[in-house]
Amino acid sequence: GAGVSQSPRYKVAKRGQDVALRCDPISGHVSLFWYQQALGQGPEFLTYFQNEAQLDKSGLPSDRFFAERPEGSVSTLKIQRTQQEDSAVYLCASSLARDRGSDFGPGTRLLVL
Amino acid sequence: AQSVTQLGSHVSVSEGALVLLRCNYSSSVPPYLFWYVQYPNQGLQLLLKYTSAATLVKGINGFEAEFKKSETSFHLTKPSAHMSDAAEYFCAVIPKAAGNKLTFGGGTRVLVKP
Repeated sequence: GAGVSQSPRYKVAKRGQDVALRCDPISGHVSLFWYQQALGQGPEFLTYFQNEAQLDKSGLPSDRFFAERPEGSVSTLKIQRTQQEDSAVYLCASSLARDRGSDFGPGTRLLVL
Repeated sequence: AQSVTQLGSHVSVSEGALVLLRCNYSSSVPPYLFWYVQYPNQGLQLLLKYTSAATLVKGINGFEAEFKKSETSFHLTKPSAHMSDAAEYFCAVIPKAAGNKLTFGGGTRVLVKP
């Protein structure tokens, strides 16, 4: 079946530009996560949704980062006024249950110049 | 806070040799434990998971991991490395008490020499 998909796969932004990253989770997965992966490091948690409710946004690095999942399916991660330190791979994951782990998308590689 | 330590950021093995990747977790209560693999420019793929059943867990691609509570470890092994095993491997945990997010170790990059 279809896995988690993300778009765009690559994004180059000029510093100060706003970007929007999209995630399509696996159908039926109520839990959706966003992670940030800097070069050479493990993924770091950003935020978590259960259906349309954002239950944990403790990992968002600043108020420039905003995520939504209005209908409990597709999610968008928005970064306003991008900075060079925002350059990273942004991974989306969805899950059916805590003890099953998560299914990850291919990621969006963001480069801020 | 929960933490995960992967000993060795890079491991080099010869094709056909044993692969051993180390993972230790910090909590006194064993969490759910996972190993993921990441190939270049791809997302993470689940290799195997430990949830509280058998302590020796078999996963995909010939990998297995053993949970040892006394050592707070969940090391990943494969008896015979293939060239296709060259990738980055991440150990991750979810606390059983509460929470859904994965906490990852720093990763171990595996190089397979012919």
